[in-house]
Amino acid sequence: GAGVSQSPRYKVTKRGQDVALRCDPISGHVSLYWYRQALGQGPEFLTYFNYEAQQDKSGLPNDRFSAERPEGSISTLTIQRTEQRDSAMYRCASSATNGNFNNEQFFGPGTRLTVL
Amino acid sequence: LAKTTQPISMDSYEGQEVNITCSHNNIATNDYITWYQQFPSQGPRFIIQGYKTKVTNEVASLFIPADRKSSTLSLPRVSLSDTAVYYCLVGDMDSNYQLIWGAGTKLIIKP
Repeated sequence: GAGVSQSPRYKVTKRGQDVALRCDPISGHVSLYWYRQALGQGPEFLTYFNYEAQQDKSGLPNDRFSAERPEGSISTLTIQRTEQRDSAMYRCASSATNGNFNNEQFFGPGTRLTVL
Repeated sequence: LAKTTQPISMDSYEGQEVNITCSHNNIATNDYITWYQQFPSQGPRFIIQGYKTKVTNEVASLFIPADRKSSTLSLPRVSLSDTAVYYCLVGDMDSNYQLIWGAGTKLIIKP
C-alpha cells in the first residue's frame, strides 16, 4: 500500500518568503508528526496531531512555524519569512493509533528545504 | 531528560553478527525501548521494540536486562545492505513521552 508522501521533495526559496510543506499520511493513520533533520543528526521533534487536533507544538522553533491538519488527514507545515537557518530536511511521520510515541512511526521521504 | 547513549560508529564485515548497545539510565517505568534504522536519503524505519527480556523478529533481536538501563540490538549475519544509521530511542516523560533522537550509530558493513 501507499506509504507516507511529502511534497514538494525539494524546495528552494529566497530568504523572507513563506513556504508550505505538505504531508499525506498513510490512510487511516490517526497520529501525524513533523520533524526536522539536520545532516548527520537524528530527527528533531516539531509538533504532532491526533486526528485534527494539534497535541503538542513545543518543538516548533518560533512563531514563524505553524502546522495544521484541518480534516485529520493531510497536514501542512508553514514557515513564514524564511531564514537561512531554516534550511533542513523536514520529515513527516504517521502512526496508526493515537498519541503514544511508542507506536511505530512510518516516515515519509522528506522535503529538502534550502533558503538562499 | 531521558537520554540514550550509543556508539557514534561501528564497522563490521559481511556475515558477522553485529551488536549495538545503548544505555538509557533514566528510562521511565512504563516506557519502551525502540530502535529505528535509517538509510541515506530515506526516512527512519522501525526495526524492533521491547520492554524487557528478549524480543526477536525477522530482522533483529533486542536484549534488555532486568534493570532496563541498557539494551542491545543484535543483527544476525549482516550484509552490505545493513549499512545505515541505527537509533535507540526511549520516551522522555518530561516531554509527554516524545522520542528523543540522538545522532545514532553509523554502522558500516565491509565486504
